[in-house]
Amino acid sequence: DIQMTQSPSTLSASVGDRVTITCRASQSISSWLAWYQQKPGKAPKVMIYKASSLESEVPSRFSGSGSGTEFTLTISSLQPDDFATYYCQQYVSYPLTFGGGTKVEIK
Amino acid sequence: EVQLVESGGGLVQPGGSLRLSCAASGFTFTNHWMTWVRQAPGKGLEWVANINGDGGDKKYADSVQGRFTVSRDNAKNSLSLQMNGLRAEDTAVFYCARTRYAAAFMDVWGKGTTVTVSS
Repeated sequence: DIQMTQSPSTLSASVGDRVTITCRASQSISSWLAWYQQKPGKAPKVMIYKASSLESEVPSRFSGSGSGTEFTLTISSLQPDDFATYYCQQYVSYPLTFGGGTKVEIK
Repeated sequence: EVQLVESGGGLVQPGGSLRLSCAASGFTFTNHWMTWVRQAPGKGLEWVANINGDGGDKKYADSVQGRFTVSRDNAKNSLSLQMNGLRAEDTAVFYCARTRYAAAFMDVWGKGTTVTVSS
């Protein structure tokens, strides 16, 4: 199974900050990576797929990069609506696996 | 509007069974693999099972293999998850999700249904 490791697990930031979340795969997954945002009590929402493709209607302040085993999700200027938990997910092979999540909190 | 609505969650005793359903609307159901993902209280996301468009190909997480069965009724635009031999560790919110065509990430999610396994 491919293990997905996210860091940090919690991130404290202020509105307007640039925020970067890292996701590492235990083996190469090429660019088969998605990022999801989840708010408390809500379903996840896909933000980025194929490592760097922005999902429709997702604000352009979100971006993804990386390939192989190391990936990043960047929020260029954090907005109040962005405080949430973010998960990465590999989809190169089964079982599909998620990272443990990164909670972005208000500083 | 593309929509997924789960139902069937509830409280069940260890060893019991439950059947979850997911009603899909607003898209061509047969064009998409469909997915079940669960989230235990306070924990992260865990993929459970996938099924392809005609129902002939199914994938399961090791943690549910042999206990859970995913199925679909394309005539009714419906996805199901039959859960047998339930354990306390199966307690979670179960989400139905649409898988993007030709890829295995989830681009539409239902709101989830809660399964609690407890005596």
